[in-house]
Amino acid sequence: DTGVSQDPRHKITKRGQNVTFRCDPISEHNRLYWYRQTLGQGPEFLTYFQNEAQLEKSRLLSDRFSAERPKGSFSTLEIQRTEQGDSAMYLCASRLGDNEQFFGPGTRLTVL
Amino acid sequence: SQQGEEDPQALSIQEGENATMNCSYKTSINNLQWYRQNSGRGLVHLILIRSNEREKHSGRLRVTLDTSKKSSSLLITASRAADTASYFCATSWAGANSKLTFGKGITLSVRP
Repeated sequence: DTGVSQDPRHKITKRGQNVTFRCDPISEHNRLYWYRQTLGQGPEFLTYFQNEAQLEKSRLLSDRFSAERPKGSFSTLEIQRTEQGDSAMYLCASRLGDNEQFFGPGTRLTVL
Repeated sequence: SQQGEEDPQALSIQEGENATMNCSYKTSINNLQWYRQNSGRGLVHLILIRSNEREKHSGRLRVTLDTSKKSSSLLITASRAADTASYFCATSWAGANSKLTFGKGITLSVRP
């Protein structure tokens, strides 16, 4: 257990539905990241928060994706109108300053 | 795009042998981190090595960094069946919000 938690661990949804994932970082970590990992690949960066400010978004993050980190604590990642290509493992990570980045267990999304 | 490239893509060894995995990257970095991932699980942080460091140890793990060759290696000594997993190197560089860029990973199989 790294101290980063994610919920749910698994999500199966039908194409076109909206889904929301939650990440609780290690409490004193000011930096929070979302990544996406597909089978056989390494994780790819989606978005970054420093405290409550979303400072960077990857071009992988289409308009259907939105992320928030209210009050600089937990974060949510919402995918609207899901597509089969959204099926992946969604990973959250947190870090303090420029130290190690710790990952949560991930949310595995399957879009039918 | 994924900056890090691990080599080999797959490695199979006998329990008790040493495993050496290599990572090459393309741009200047702040630090490089190695992670382990068991099938379908989150990433476990192994070691962080900064750009001004050349070698670090942690238990049975030894990581080296050669910034002139833009490469790193991870050595696992006296391997165990429990070391069977995928291993990823991840780089971050200054001015990039410390987001990580991963390679595709190395699949290590340790035969009992």
